[in-house]
Amino acid sequence: GAVVSQHPSRVICKSGTSVKIECRSLDFQATTMFWYRQFPKQSLMLMATSNEGSKATYEQGVEKDKFLINHASLTLSTLTVTSAHPEDSSFYICSASGGESSYNEQFFGPGTRLTVL
Amino acid sequence: SQKIEQNSEALNIQEGKTATLTCNYTNYSPAYLQWYRQDPGRGPVFLLLIRENEKEKRKERLKVTFDTTLKQSLFHITASQPADSATYLCALYTGGFKTIFGAGTRLFVKA
Repeated sequence: GAVVSQHPSRVICKSGTSVKIECRSLDFQATTMFWYRQFPKQSLMLMATSNEGSKATYEQGVEKDKFLINHASLTLSTLTVTSAHPEDSSFYICSASGGESSYNEQFFGPGTRLTVL
Repeated sequence: SQKIEQNSEALNIQEGKTATLTCNYTNYSPAYLQWYRQDPGRGPVFLLLIRENEKEKRKERLKVTFDTTLKQSLFHITASQPADSATYLCALYTGGFKTIFGAGTRLFVKA
C-alpha cells in the first residue's frame, strides 16, 4: 500500500531558529501533497496544498513567508517553519495524493511533533 | 457557515458491543465522505470512503452510511475490541483537492 514518511518525528528547537520537515511518498508518485497542523484534541487544520513543480496554495490565515513549502519532486515535499516561536509548537502532518489512488484518497505521514522553547 | 460536527468528544463502550459514531455537516455538498482512524501521536489512517450516491458501505467489521438529505454519516464498528480504541475522524471532500476534517470522536472500548 501507499506509504508516506516524515522526518524528523520530533524536534525541539530554540525560539528564532528555523526548522525543516520532510515528507516523502515512498512507493508512489504524489502529484499533490498537503500540510496540516493539529493541536491537542482538535481537528487537522489544512495549512497548504502543493503540487509538484508549482507554488503552494496556502489557506487563509497561514503566513506563506512563515511556513515555506517546497514540492521539488513527485516524492518529496518540505515544510520549513522560519523563525519559529513557541506558538508554532504543534503536531505537523503531511499527506500525499496520487498514483493509483481514486477519489483523491490521501495517505498520511506519521506526523512531526515540533516544540519551540 | 460551513461546519462539521462529530457527535461526542468521547465514547465509551463495552467490548463486543457495536460502536456508532456520528458525523453531521452543514452547508456542504460533498462528493464523498471519508472516515479515518488516528492513534495518539500518529497520522490518520484511511478506513472507508462513501460517495454521495451510495447509502451504505461495509468493510469487515466497519459499516458507514451516508444520508445527504440529513447531511449525516454514521460509522459503525461491530463486535468492538479494545484494539479499536482510537480517535475516528470524518472528512468531507469539498472539491479543489480540499478535504475538511471533523474534530474526531475518541472511542474507548473496555475489555
